[in-house]
Amino acid sequence: LAKTTQPISMDSYEGQEVNITCSHNNIATNDYITWYQQFPSQGPRFIIQGYKTKVTNEVASLFIPADRKSSTLSLPRVSLSDTAVYYCLVGDGTGTASKLTFGTGTRLQVTL
Amino acid sequence: ETGVTQSPTHLIKTRGQQVTLRCSSQSGHNTVSWYQQALGQGPQFIFQYYREEENGRGNFPPRFSGLQFPNYSSELNVNALELDDSALYLCASSLAGKNTEAFFGQGTRLTVV
Repeated sequence: LAKTTQPISMDSYEGQEVNITCSHNNIATNDYITWYQQFPSQGPRFIIQGYKTKVTNEVASLFIPADRKSSTLSLPRVSLSDTAVYYCLVGDGTGTASKLTFGTGTRLQVTL
Repeated sequence: ETGVTQSPTHLIKTRGQQVTLRCSSQSGHNTVSWYQQALGQGPQFIFQYYREEENGRGNFPPRFSGLQFPNYSSELNVNALELDDSALYLCASSLAGKNTEAFFGQGTRLTVV
């Protein structure tokens, strides 16, 4: 399974754009890049998933360069409620025995 | 469409006891996975069930076992509880073939004293 590396923590002010970069040098051809958000004492929540180039939804954007060895989660104009831990995962979810491999994530703290 | 629900939300057990945690999958999801999350760590995969059979297991001892029922709900059983079993236990449901898009419950906080 491809290992991911992301910053342990980040700080931001409310209203700013936050970019969290994840490295995954050993990503396999069939792997997708998936980001989850987790608030304290809650289960992780799926945010966005992509394979290459750019994906955007109502919550975030995901930028993936051509070599796919890294990815960047972009949160536009964060608010206090975006304070959470963000996990970057890579893997092929198409197998019936696939699992999610979480690292320690990036702890984002948003302040006024 | 209902989400993933887990019960109970909190539980205190004594070392050596047994515990059963329950999970109801998101409507239409046929795969359920269980994770253990210690304080300050990311969730760690325990095992996955598909079509009522264990379909993948993480690095957890046999005293961690589970069941999946025909309605896709699931149980996690832990025997001979140890202090280190204190953690947040998360259930996640997904569709086979789309397991990277999992829906998690809010978890059960287990404290072993």
